[in-house]
Amino acid sequence: GAVVSQHPSWVICKSGTSVKIECRSLDFQATTMFWYRQFPKQSLMLMATSNEGSKATYEQGVEKDKFLINHASLTLSTLTVTSAHPEDSSFYICSATRTNWTSDRFISIPYFGPGTRLTVT
Amino acid sequence: EDQVTQSPEALRLQEGESSSLNCSYTVSGLRGLFWYRQDPGKGPEFLFTLYSAGEEKEKERLKATLTKKESFLHITAPKPEDSATYLCAVRKTGGGATNKLIFGTGTLLAVQP
Repeated sequence: GAVVSQHPSWVICKSGTSVKIECRSLDFQATTMFWYRQFPKQSLMLMATSNEGSKATYEQGVEKDKFLINHASLTLSTLTVTSAHPEDSSFYICSATRTNWTSDRFISIPYFGPGTRLTVT
Repeated sequence: EDQVTQSPEALRLQEGESSSLNCSYTVSGLRGLFWYRQDPGKGPEFLFTLYSAGEEKEKERLKATLTKKESFLHITAPKPEDSATYLCAVRKTGGGATNKLIFGTGTLLAVQP
């Protein structure tokens, strides 16, 4: 079953408004979560790394004042798109890494949420 | 420069026609190679992780292998429900953010009945 959830799955908003997207890790804690953006027929583009209890780290070219990230707990990160414009319309996906020890190795697997389709009119 | 390249970009197969997808990478210090399946309008679904050259993983009709320079995703006797985009990603040592992935552009697989 799903190990990372996102809410909402889709949202339509008017230009100039703000939208908040939630990302939750289910059944495990994640000190770090990642936010991606995906354009049609393209691969995932990393926007920022969300760090629990500290500031997010943004990739080059991503406006930190535009895309506010809050990692308030070990299972929840939020992405707020502020003053959204039509060019912000996209598919936003979060990721959380689940780690555990097996008999012979440390396993660390990034799981992805189902994505949020944002349409700004 | 760290890079992940997937080929082909698109692949059309007949049901039952086996084939392989390629993921070649140039990163300094591999800390895992990951294969994901992505259906339209959905997030990537984890398939496999490989950590060292020579390692192989299998799941139903899929088998992933890893060398020092590339990984293959072999699809045996595919079915139409295997149609999806298959993404390859690598994680490297070092860097400011642990667990940061570098993605390839994906292979769009279409399996016709």
